[in-house]
Amino acid sequence: DAGVIQSPRHEVTEMGQEVTLRCKPISGHNSLFWYRQTMMRGLELLIYFNNNVPIDDSGMPEDRFSAKMPNASFSTLKIQPSEPRDSAVYFCASSWGRRVNSPLHFGNGTRLTVT
Amino acid sequence: KQEVTQIPAALSVPEGENLVLNCSFTDSAIYNLQWFRQDPGKGLTSLLLIQSSQREQTSGRLNASLDKSSGRSTLYIAASQPGDSATYLCAVGDFGNEKLTFGTGTRLTIIP
Repeated sequence: DAGVIQSPRHEVTEMGQEVTLRCKPISGHNSLFWYRQTMMRGLELLIYFNNNVPIDDSGMPEDRFSAKMPNASFSTLKIQPSEPRDSAVYFCASSWGRRVNSPLHFGNGTRLTVT
Repeated sequence: KQEVTQIPAALSVPEGENLVLNCSFTDSAIYNLQWFRQDPGKGLTSLLLIQSSQREQTSGRLNASLDKSSGRSTLYIAASQPGDSATYLCAVGDFGNEKLTFGTGTRLTIIP
């Protein structure tokens, strides 16, 4: 299995631009998570999907952030408009089961820089 | 609200030594606890998962223990190697909650 695949690996954009991050979970996994990692705040859960349905989006910072999972093999996280404080590493992770009762598999992340 | 703490933030150990990493959490009503390692520029790799009913889990040179009543977990690494150098994070799955709460990690350096 190729693992969780994220693209792009790096994204540099100017403030105000739209940014779309992509994720392909491990085949057969039915839970998908988007995390953000910064030095100041560590790992923060943004949103969690189960069977393609958003279950908990309480971690999404504000309306500028949105996430979709149109099918079991693809998810996107969109920031519009982007701001410098959105600069961070964004991780996608997947697992089997509704509860986090199995090991969580992370992608290699997208490093976002907003200037 | 669950809070997860890992102390120290950084640790350097000579190669070959055994070592222990610590993780503490404030709410003992947990579902499970996972230990991860993160290499620079990479995502997290799951090392061990301990269910709330278990006391420990072992994988190779790694042993993780869980004491729910005291809100503590330890990750024991035997015969450390330079390849063990990484940041180690623990994460707690809260009961009735489907999220993991992560600690801020311990950055481990094994000195050859």
